[in-house]
Amino acid sequence: GDSVTQMEGPVTLSEEAFLTINCTYTATGYPSLFWYVQYPGEGLQLLLKATKADDKGSNKGFEATYRKETTSFHLEKGSVQVSDSAVYFCACPNAGGTSYGKLTFGQGTILTVHP
Amino acid sequence: KAGVTQTPRYLIKTRGQQVTLSCSPISGHRSVSWYQQTPGQGLQFLFEYFSETQRNKGNFPGRFSGRQFSNSRSEMNVSTLELGDSALYLCASRAFRGSYGGTAYEQYFGPGTRLTVT
Repeated sequence: GDSVTQMEGPVTLSEEAFLTINCTYTATGYPSLFWYVQYPGEGLQLLLKATKADDKGSNKGFEATYRKETTSFHLEKGSVQVSDSAVYFCACPNAGGTSYGKLTFGQGTILTVHP
Repeated sequence: KAGVTQTPRYLIKTRGQQVTLSCSPISGHRSVSWYQQTPGQGLQFLFEYFSETQRNKGNFPGRFSGRQFSNSRSEMNVSTLELGDSALYLCASRAFRGSYGGTAYEQYFGPGTRLTVT
């Protein structure tokens, strides 16, 4: 079945460091891919998305490119801030039942950024 | 546009009781999905509703059920609560069809209901 694998966490960085969080997927067909972020005590926020192969999603300085050949969607940011400390989830919609309303998530990566 | 709202935000119940959680989707969104989030199992899909019909279901026991109303609002119910049902329950809505007419895959989440079973 469809699955999403994220790099083992947690990740601890100093402010202004470069961030990469790896994500690979297996999916039936090539649907959209997403990164979500969860701040403490909150629900998930859609951070960015890519709707087809070779698309690059970007938002708030974060970027991820949908690589069909390596089935990857790695999240990157050139210079992290303390406010980026959160849990990051890679996600893929699944074909199942009669719709694509099921998101399969990676296990989540805890990011802590120190001043 | 207002986001997804969930009520209540926090709930404490005793084993054996039942609980009902409520979710109001973003205006115009017709699909609602529910997820359970726990430290051990991560985010797991419960079910999705569209047009008052369950369209997709995860691997949860029959104690977990849901429904959707004509205004797209949704409720989920858990009967005969167990300690292991303690979790953050998240509701998400999507448009079902995008502005271009194709499938809209992205889901928007509410803040969740924190359920504690004692």
